[in-house]
This record gives sequence, structure tokens and C-alpha cells, in this order.
Amino acid sequence: EPEVTQTPSHQVTQMGQEVILRCVPISNHLYFYWYRQILGQKVEFLVSFYNNEISEKSEIFDDQFSVERPDGSNFTLKIRSTKLEDSAMYFCASSEVRASTDTQYFGPGTRLTVL
Amino acid sequence: QKEVEQNSGPLSVPEGAIASLNCTYSDRGSQSFFWYRQYSGKSPELIMFIYSNGDKEDGRFTAQLNKASQYVSLLIRDSQPSDSATYLCAPRGTGRRALTFGSGTRLQVQP
Repeated sequence: EPEVTQTPSHQVTQMGQEVILRCVPISNHLYFYWYRQILGQKVEFLVSFYNNEISEKSEIFDDQFSVERPDGSNFTLKIRSTKLEDSAMYFCASSEVRASTDTQYFGPGTRLTVL
Repeated sequence: QKEVEQNSGPLSVPEGAIASLNCTYSDRGSQSFFWYRQYSGKSPELIMFIYSNGDKEDGRFTAQLNKASQYVSLLIRDSQPSDSATYLCAPRGTGRRALTFGSGTRLQVQP
């Protein structure tokens, strides 16, 4: 069964460093998403991406965040200058284009720890 | 008012019983409703989705939607210890693709 994959599973970084989280969406999906979950809190939407551009973003997704589809299979989230409060699980998700089948399937997540 | 409200639990039921999980939402224009299960330290896993008022059944799971009351529920029949997890309600808002998750209800199924 096709699944979303994410690398790395755990990333430790120093405050102020840049990190790139990587995702490989399900192959026939064209909508991609990033969510995050701070420990003990709810899952929060960050951004959605379609047709090589951001289609929707939340207040959390400020100028320190960016997304990119560098090739035909990968989807990345970059955090330019990490803060302690960026420590969280980051989930990538993907879905088909049609609204009637836009169920989002989540990857296993990347645990980001900012020291 | 929170966008999505769920009782945090824990909801404790004996094995074999019916577990009833409830969710209310504030966006009256929401059209799609998703239930995800999340085990501790893992990612959300889709259980069911529902678009229309009424009931939708899939195996041991039944989702119920009442748009007039802005209420969606999930029933789990013949609950198993492996069903012990946090259940997340996630409406998709008007004209949006983003899911707005509730804080989830923690279910404990006692053997």
C-alpha cells in the first residue's frame, strides 16, 4: 500500500541553525501539506502546496518557514533559523486533487529537537 | 469558542463494549469530517470520513454527522485493547483543504 515517507525520523539542531525536513508524498497525489504537533498539544496545520505554489498557510507559517518541491518526488520544509519553540513533531501529508477524494494521508513524522 | 471541541478523556470502556466519541465544530460551512486515530508518538491514521448527514458504517466503526447541530461522532463497536489511542476529529473548513484538528479524546479499552 502506498505511503508517505519522511526523513529524518529525528533531527537535533542548535538554536539559530537551518533545518530541512524531507517528505516523499504518495506518488499520484498532487496536494501536499505540513502539520506540526508540539508535545502534548494538538496537531496544527502549517501549509498546503499544489501546482508548485502555496495554496494555503496558517499564522504559524511565517517568514522563517518555506516549502519546496525540488524534484518530482520530494517535498521539503525548511526552517531558516530555528527557535526552541520549533521543537515538535512535523508531519507531512498528501492527498488527491479531487475534493471528493481529498483524504489526507500522513507520514510517520520527523521529531525536531532544538537545543 | 474553540473551532473543534472534543472531550479529552480518558474514556475508559471494557473490552467488547461500544465506545462513543463526540466532537462539535464551529465552522457551519464545514463539508467534510475526518476521524483519525493517533497512537502515542505516532502520526495520525485515517479511520473514517463522512460528508453527508446521517450515519456511515465501516466495519466496527460508525460515524454520525448532524450538520444542523454541528456535531459529529464516532462509535466503535466491540472495542479491543488495540483501539486504545487518541481519536482526533478534523473538519475541513469552508473552501479550505487544511484540516483543523481537535485536541482528541484518549480512549482506553480495558481487557
